[in-house]
Amino acid sequence: AQSVTQLDSHVSVSEGTPVLLRCNYSSSYSPSLFWYVQHPNKGLQLLLKYTSAATLVKGINGFEAEFKKSETSFHLTKPSAHMSDAAEYFCVVGRPTGANNLFFGTGTRLTVIP
Amino acid sequence: GAVVSQHPSRVICKSGTSVKIECRSLDFQATTMFWYRQFPKKSLMLMATSNEGSKATYEQGVEKDKFLINHASLTLSTLTVTSAHPEDSSFYICSAPQPGGYANEQFFGPGTRLTVL
Repeated sequence: AQSVTQLDSHVSVSEGTPVLLRCNYSSSYSPSLFWYVQHPNKGLQLLLKYTSAATLVKGINGFEAEFKKSETSFHLTKPSAHMSDAAEYFCVVGRPTGANNLFFGTGTRLTVIP
Repeated sequence: GAVVSQHPSRVICKSGTSVKIECRSLDFQATTMFWYRQFPKKSLMLMATSNEGSKATYEQGVEKDKFLINHASLTLSTLTVTSAHPEDSSFYICSAPQPGGYANEQFFGPGTRLTVL
């Protein structure tokens, strides 16, 4: 069985400071892991994905995430927050192949303070 | 790039009426589309998988007679909420698999907010 836990429902950072959004997963399989971002009135946009290649994954807009199997974590980071990063972020776990089996976390709302 | 659109973006209806939501893949074909429901401060829950030319596959606990899905073409899937009630009020999101990507890499639509009075 698969599940994903986003440890913080809301994170607030100042512009220019680092961002850390935490995600822990549980999977019976070798998982594929994703981070999606949802801006208001917009569709979910893929930030990055892990599919059993390099454990440090770089995504768009300066975001990256590190897959740590021993900690069952896939935390999302960014060195310096921009105002445009304010949005809802979802950590998602899925099976690497086969039918759609995406399991979404409950989301973390990121607020960036000017 | 590939985009998925939804229409309408927002709909308000009276209890007992039916509401149709459209999901279109732009610039690419999708033999499969997915419908999700998102409750406030909750994660997305997969409702059903829409299959072009055949019946949809519903997740456990989702009433297929309540949420009618039609996938009439390679670019259009529709979700009809029949005899809507206030508890059906929610944010409905569709998605389509990314061409050339893994099976679970998807493009998501912007969502439709349904409010049933």
